[in-house]
Amino acid sequence: DGGITQSPKYLFRKEGQNVTLSCEQNLNHDAMYWYRQDPGQGLRLIYYSQIVNDFQKGDIAEGYSVSREKKESFPLTVTSAQKNPTAFYLCASSQGMDTNTGELFFGEGSRLTVL
Amino acid sequence: AQKVTQAQTEISVVEKEDVTLDCVYETRDTTYYLFWYKQPPSGELVFLIRRNSFDEQNEISGRYSWNFQKSTSSFNFTITASQVVDSAVYFCALRRVNKFYFGSGTKLNVKP
Repeated sequence: DGGITQSPKYLFRKEGQNVTLSCEQNLNHDAMYWYRQDPGQGLRLIYYSQIVNDFQKGDIAEGYSVSREKKESFPLTVTSAQKNPTAFYLCASSQGMDTNTGELFFGEGSRLTVL
Repeated sequence: AQKVTQAQTEISVVEKEDVTLDCVYETRDTTYYLFWYKQPPSGELVFLIRRNSFDEQNEISGRYSWNFQKSTSSFNFTITASQVVDSAVYFCALRRVNKFYFGSGTKLNVKP
């Protein structure tokens, strides 16, 4: 079935460690996104990518990094520079640059806890 | 600038009651798309509806209905005869080009 796969679902990290969250999609979507959700709050955009080898910072990019080497994959690295990384991370994709109509498709999320 | 406001942080109803979730948006664009998503306790956001700025017809899908009014920049969502399974956080969003702007969400609690 087509969809978005995020892994791991739960992740624990010690302070000072970098961690990478995986996001893979088989929907043939051009655009991919990473959002952060804190308890009781909405979604905040971290990074997004419209095509392979290109990505843009969202509203809260500091302390995060991404890559887009393949259309299907958009991994997010939470670096030690991120001051408060404990959160729920959602990956999403949508039809890309030539359309302005498509909805976002979301993965199941990854819950990161810093110990 | 684009902005989506969901003023209702949390709503509690008893099963079979009707409930309306409010969404107000701001944009200077003439072409835009509005969305509603449901986030159950499992966490994954589920797409419910998309509406473009040129189509102000209300839509009904089963117990769900949506009222889009450009004059008041609102896109409200009504659940008729609510059920416990409707308990979730509901997000309204605005799409402009390739960026989506989300409201802060409304948590709906439906009690048996």
